[in-house]
Amino acid sequence: GAGVSQSPRYKVAKRGQDVALRCDPISGHVSLFWYQQALGQGPEFLTYFQNEAQLDKSGLPSDRFFAERPEGSVSTLKIQRTQQEDSAVYLCASSQAYVRADTQYFGPGTRLTVL
Amino acid sequence: QKEVEQDPGPLSVPEGAIVSLNCTYSNSAFQYFMWYRQYSRKGPELLMYTYSSGNKEDGRFTAQVDKSSKYISLFIRDSQPSDSATYLCAMGGDTGGGNKLTFGTGTQLKVEL
Repeated sequence: GAGVSQSPRYKVAKRGQDVALRCDPISGHVSLFWYQQALGQGPEFLTYFQNEAQLDKSGLPSDRFFAERPEGSVSTLKIQRTQQEDSAVYLCASSQAYVRADTQYFGPGTRLTVL
Repeated sequence: QKEVEQDPGPLSVPEGAIVSLNCTYSNSAFQYFMWYRQYSRKGPELLMYTYSSGNKEDGRFTAQVDKSSKYISLFIRDSQPSDSATYLCAMGGDTGGGNKLTFGTGTQLKVEL
């Protein structure tokens, strides 16, 4: 079946603009994660959903970052008033079950460039 | 100091070489350990997943975990040009961490003909 998909794949924003990044997880996957990957770095955790509940948002860097998953499937990561330091690849991952150790499957990412 | 340390490379080897990639970590509560491979402009894909200390083999890949030393390794035998990618170690399962993964910075590998 289809893997995790993300859109847009590339986004260029002017500083101060709001952006919305979309993630379509693998069908039936309960858990959904967002990570931020800066150039030359490993992914860093942003937030985690179990169905529609946001159980962990400890990695969101500021209150300009907001994520939602209202129906427990598609998720949107919104960044308000973008800054140059927000430039990164935003990765979404999903996993099948509730268990802590379940494998996370990653999407291709959205590359955000803030000018 | 980061929770997970990984030499960023780049590492360049000839085709057929044995490659050794390593990570150290400071959080002794991590319970499971993974290696992901990431090609340029793609998302990470899972290569190996282990729970316990010891070795796990899958084809040309062997993952090794030493919890007492807080050290994990990935060995690639008979390396191929198609193995050229960034290799990320990842860990999770610590009590306070929930379900999130903590990654190393990634090691960039190039296998040359």
